[in-house]
Amino acid sequence: SQTIHQWPATLVQPVGSPLSLECTVEGTSNPNLYWYRQAAGRGLQLLFYSVGIGQISSEVPQNLSASRPQDRQFILSSKKLLLSDSGFYLCAWSTGGSRQPQHFGDGTRLSIL
Amino acid sequence: GQQLNQSPQSMFIQEGEDVSMNCTSSSIFNTWLWYKQDPGEGPVLLIALYKAGELTSNGRLTAQFGITRKDSFLNISASIPSDVGIYFCAGQVGEGAQKLVFGQGTRLTINP
Repeated sequence: SQTIHQWPATLVQPVGSPLSLECTVEGTSNPNLYWYRQAAGRGLQLLFYSVGIGQISSEVPQNLSASRPQDRQFILSSKKLLLSDSGFYLCAWSTGGSRQPQHFGDGTRLSIL
Repeated sequence: GQQLNQSPQSMFIQEGEDVSMNCTSSSIFNTWLWYKQDPGEGPVLLIALYKAGELTSNGRLTAQFGITRKDSFLNISASIPSDVGIYFCAGQVGEGAQKLVFGQGTRLTINP
């Protein structure tokens, strides 16, 4: 069966510091991968998605970037964090095709001080 | 951009009651999904709907894909304490990469 792992679960970073959040998927190959951000008490906003290695699409302009160095690895990064980058970051995967729902990891709680 | 209006925002019910929540949009979606999120965790898929008019059940949960493809509802029958959480609807656009648009969530609280 497929599993998705995110780490770290919680992260506290100072303003201006760099960021790297990692997501890996097991049990499938060539998945579609997604990064979402969830503000407190709100729905999820799609940040990035990837349909293959090295292929990244950005949905909203922001201070973050994403990379996919391996088939089942998706990384969310920033060179300099802003206070507004605080939130709950969720990674998700799906197989290709129109009738394949997304499955989420347990998220990373990011607090910027 | 596309938006989903999910209601109600919160519900306070007694254990054993039935629950109903819905999502509407001004845009057409080709898939509707319903997720449940517990505190500090990622959303878990409850029901996926792929065809207009489709009615699908998962245990005590029932969801329908509206005929106009612009709305969906989720019903929970005979609620139990473990139903507590936040429920999200999501509409899917696109075929290659399935981009989801999420509603704002319905927070369900159950009094035993």
